[in-house]
Amino acid sequence: KAGVTQTPRYLIKTRGQQVTLSCSPISGHRSVSWYQQTPGQGLQFLFEYFSETQRNKGNFPGRFSGRQFSNSRSEMNVSTLELGDSALYLCASRAGVYNEQFFGPGTRLTVL
Amino acid sequence: EDQVTQSPEALRLQEGESSSLNCSYTVSGLRGLFWYRQDPGKGPEFLFTLYSAGEEKEKERLKATLTKKESFLHITAPKPEDSATYLCAVQGGSNYKLTFGKGTLLTVNP
Repeated sequence: KAGVTQTPRYLIKTRGQQVTLSCSPISGHRSVSWYQQTPGQGLQFLFEYFSETQRNKGNFPGRFSGRQFSNSRSEMNVSTLELGDSALYLCASRAGVYNEQFFGPGTRLTVL
Repeated sequence: EDQVTQSPEALRLQEGESSSLNCSYTVSGLRGLFWYRQDPGKGPEFLFTLYSAGEEKEKERLKATLTKKESFLHITAPKPEDSATYLCAVQGGSNYKLTFGKGTLLTVNP
């Protein structure tokens, strides 16, 4: 079974730009979560989608948004990028809301 | 709000020197406690799920245990390839999200 895939793997943007990251979950998994990981803060929960509905949201500004498509693939968008948005963005999928999550390799975003 | 504290922040061992990592948590109605391993620049790799106090799970040199307030990840006779950051996360009954600790960076020297 193929794992969680994320594209692109690396991204360099400048302040003020916007970015869209993509995640394809494990086949059959309907839940997709997004996390931001930085050395200082660790893994911070952004949001979770289940069957195209946002089920949970973390404490991030409205510049961070996401969506999920009918095939369970998910995208995350960050608008008006700031230097502090530089991080590893991780996507994770799971079969049900109380199952373990499986992570993708992440997208390394650098904001200059 | 769910909270997870991992200790120590970093641990350096000699090959073969067994030790334990700690994960203390506060959660309303524990649904599951999860252990992950993360190598530099990669996504976390799932190791174990524990659901109730007294439960234990093993995988190769790793053994995870759970009490009502904490979990331990015991590493027996570690090898250099066990070097990684080990993350602990909890899921409470009030919502579906996972709350992660900041991890323990384990280094095993040959």
